[in-house]
Amino acid sequence: GENVEQHPPTLSVQEGDSAVIKCTYSDSASNYFPWYKQELGKGPQLIIDIRSNVGEKKDQRIAVTLNKTAKHFSLHITETQPEDSAVYFCAANMDSNYQLIWGAGTKLIIKP
Amino acid sequence: EAQVTQNPRYLITVTGKKLTVTCSQNMNHEYMSWYRQDPGLGLRQIYYSMNVEVTDKGDVPEGYKVSRKEKRNFPLILESPSPNQTSLYFCASSPWDTGSEQYFGPGTRLTVT
Repeated sequence: GENVEQHPPTLSVQEGDSAVIKCTYSDSASNYFPWYKQELGKGPQLIIDIRSNVGEKKDQRIAVTLNKTAKHFSLHITETQPEDSAVYFCAANMDSNYQLIWGAGTKLIIKP
Repeated sequence: EAQVTQNPRYLITVTGKKLTVTCSQNMNHEYMSWYRQDPGLGLRQIYYSMNVEVTDKGDVPEGYKVSRKEKRNFPLILESPSPNQTSLYFCASSPWDTGSEQYFGPGTRLTVT
């Protein structure tokens, strides 16, 4: 079936450094790739998304890149801060656009 | 305030005792969905609804039922809960489909003994 693989499962970085989380997807028909942040005790919240007609999108310290040929996309967080500590999920939509396939999540730890 | 609400937030029950988890959104969204979240497995979709009276199975529908009689409500029903349904459940809604931002509820932690 359709699959989204996410790496690494845990990422620990020094405050102020950059963090990169990578995802690969299997359905070549996928055309929407969101990233969600989940803080402890809360539901996931969208932080950035990208569509297949765009290669890169940036929003302040957060950026997402998409390589359609290789079927992978990445989340980049620069100048990390303590409030960036959370679990991050990538996802890809299926062709029907009524289902998202989610990665397993990455726990990001920002060390002071 | 635009939000998705779920009730209850925490529930401990016994095997076989029917339960319902309610979900309501006040944003007039067409699309609603239920997920379960288990460690190391991410979010897995249980059921979704494209509009009133229109629902379909997600990846893990076995043991669950849903209904969408009103646009704002999308309850999740466990007719005969089993221990393998112990999980964290999230309801979500979006304006039209999964090609738009999904708004998640706060989650319901269910334990079945």
